[in-house]
Amino acid sequence: GENVEQHPSTLSVQEGDSAVIKCTYSDSASNYFPWYKQELGKRPQLIIDIRSNVGEKKDQRIAVTLNKTAKHFSLHITETQPEDSAVYFCAASTLTGGFKTIFGAGTRLFVKA
Amino acid sequence: DVKVTQSSRYLVKRTGEKVFLECVQDMDHENMFWYRQDPGLGLRLIYFSYDVKMKEKGDIPEGYSVSREKKERFSLILESASTNQTSMYLCASSRTYTDGELFFGEGSRLTVL
Repeated sequence: GENVEQHPSTLSVQEGDSAVIKCTYSDSASNYFPWYKQELGKRPQLIIDIRSNVGEKKDQRIAVTLNKTAKHFSLHITETQPEDSAVYFCAASTLTGGFKTIFGAGTRLFVKA
Repeated sequence: DVKVTQSSRYLVKRTGEKVFLECVQDMDHENMFWYRQDPGLGLRLIYFSYDVKMKEKGDIPEGYSVSREKKERFSLILESASTNQTSMYLCASSRTYTDGELFFGEGSRLTVL
């Protein structure tokens, strides 16, 4: 079945460094790729998303890139801050063919001050 | 602001008990979802609904059922709880068929003894 693989499972960076989280997906029909951030004890919340007709999207310190041919997409966080510490989930969805959003296993990001 | 409210944050039940988890959203969203969150496994889709009285199986529906009698309310039912259903359960909603952003509730942590 469809699946999304996410790496690394844990990432520790120094404040101010960049962090990169990578995902691959299996369903070539996927056309929507959201990223969710879940702080400790809180609900997941969307931080950025990208659709398959776009290769890159940026929002302040956060950017997402998509390579449809390779079925890869990545989250880039620049100038990390302690408040970026959280679990990040990538996901893949097919908006035109149904409602299933398949999530990766998550990456726990630690930003050390 | 979209609000997705789950009725219980913490529940402790015994093996074999029937368990109801309730979820209500206040933004007239069409789609509602139940996910299960376990460490290292990400979020796995149990059931979803795109309309009142409609339901579709997700990736792990065994041992669960759902009910959507009203647009704003989506219930998850464990007919006979088992210890392997101990988990965090997250309800989510999305606005329309083509709007992929999921809005999550705070989660219900269920322990089955």
